[in-house]
This record gives sequence, C-alpha cells and structure tokens, in this order.
Amino acid sequence: GDSVTQMEGPVTLSEEAFLTINCTYTATGYPSLFWYVQYPGEGLQLLLKATKADDKGSNKGFEATYRKETTSFHLEKGSVQVSDSAVYFCALSGYSSASKIIFGSGTRLSIRP
Amino acid sequence: DAGVTQSPTHLIKTRGQQVTLRCSPKSGHDTVSWYQQALGQGPQFIFQYYEEEERQRGNFPDRFSGHQFPNYSSELNVNALLLGDSALYLCASSFSYGGSAGNTIYFGEGSWLTVV
Repeated sequence: GDSVTQMEGPVTLSEEAFLTINCTYTATGYPSLFWYVQYPGEGLQLLLKATKADDKGSNKGFEATYRKETTSFHLEKGSVQVSDSAVYFCALSGYSSASKIIFGSGTRLSIRP
Repeated sequence: DAGVTQSPTHLIKTRGQQVTLRCSPKSGHDTVSWYQQALGQGPQFIFQYYEEEERQRGNFPDRFSGHQFPNYSSELNVNALLLGDSALYLCASSFSYGGSAGNTIYFGEGSWLTVV
C-alpha cells in the first residue's frame, strides 16, 4: 500500500542554519504531497502542498518540490528560526478532498538560539 | 469562524472502559475523518464519515466505531479500552466537493486519551 518514509529525528540546528528534512513516498497513481507542522501543544497545520510532478510548494520560507522520478518531497528552508521548532510530517493523499491522508512518522526539529 | 473543535481535550480512562470523543467540523464542511496519533508517531487514519455513513475505514478493530449527526458533527467511540489505545485522537473536516486534497482539510487540536 501507499506509504511515506521521512528522515528520523530529532534534528537540532543553530538559528540561521540551512534545513533539509528528507521524505520519500510509495504510491500508486499520482498522489498529492504535503508537509504538515505540529507546534508544541497545538494541532496539525498544513505547511505546504504540491499536487503534481515538478510542482513546488512554499510557505513561511519553507519549500518542497514534487519529484516523481525520485519519489521524493524534501522539505528545505534557507535560514531557520527558533520559532520553527516543531514536529514536521510528510504526507500523501489522493486527489480528492475525501481521500485519507497517509503520514510519515514525523521529524522533531529543535533550533538553538 | 470557528475551525474544527474537539472535546474533551484530555481524559483518563481505565482498561476495559468505553470512551466517546466529539468533533464539530469547520463551518461549511460535511465530511469528518478521525485519526489516531500515538506518541512519537504520525497520525493513522481510523475512518471517515459522510452523509451520516462510514465511507472509508483504516486498519482498526471493530472496537472503534463512529457516528455522524445531521449537523455533520461526529463522535468516535472506543470500547474495551486497551493500554495501547492511549494516544492523541485528531478530527479532520473537509468539504466533499472541495477539490484537491489538503486545500480544504482542517484538523482540530485533538483529544488526549490516556488509558491506565
């Protein structure tokens, strides 16, 4: 079945460092890909998404490109801030808004001042 | 406009007991999905309700059941609780004709269930 594998954490970086969190997927058809973020004590929030190959999702300085040839959707940010400390989940879904979402296991990111 | 609201936020139950969790979807949404997030794991899909019927179901035993009401709100029931049922239970709502996934799916803050 469909699945998502993402980089294990925790990841600890200094403020202003470059961030990459790797994510690869296995799916039939053409899934939509997402990154969700979960800040301490809060619910899941959609960070960015891409719905077809070569699409780049971006939000709050984060970017990820849908790479069908490598089945990857790596999350990047050029300069992280302390406020980016959170758990990040890579996920996939079918095209319909009724499709279930399949999540990776999450990567905990901690940023040192 | 209130987003997805869930209740209770935290609760503690004893093994063997039953629990009911509640979810009110975002205004205008008609589809409710439930997910279980164990500590340190990603959310796992339990089931989805639309038009008061279960439309999809994940790999969860029959102890997990649900209901959707005419106002689109939903309940998740878990019978014969096990220690392993301890988790954060997330409700997500969406609109059935909302187009691409992710655009219209909103998550609540969840209900923390501890089974002792």
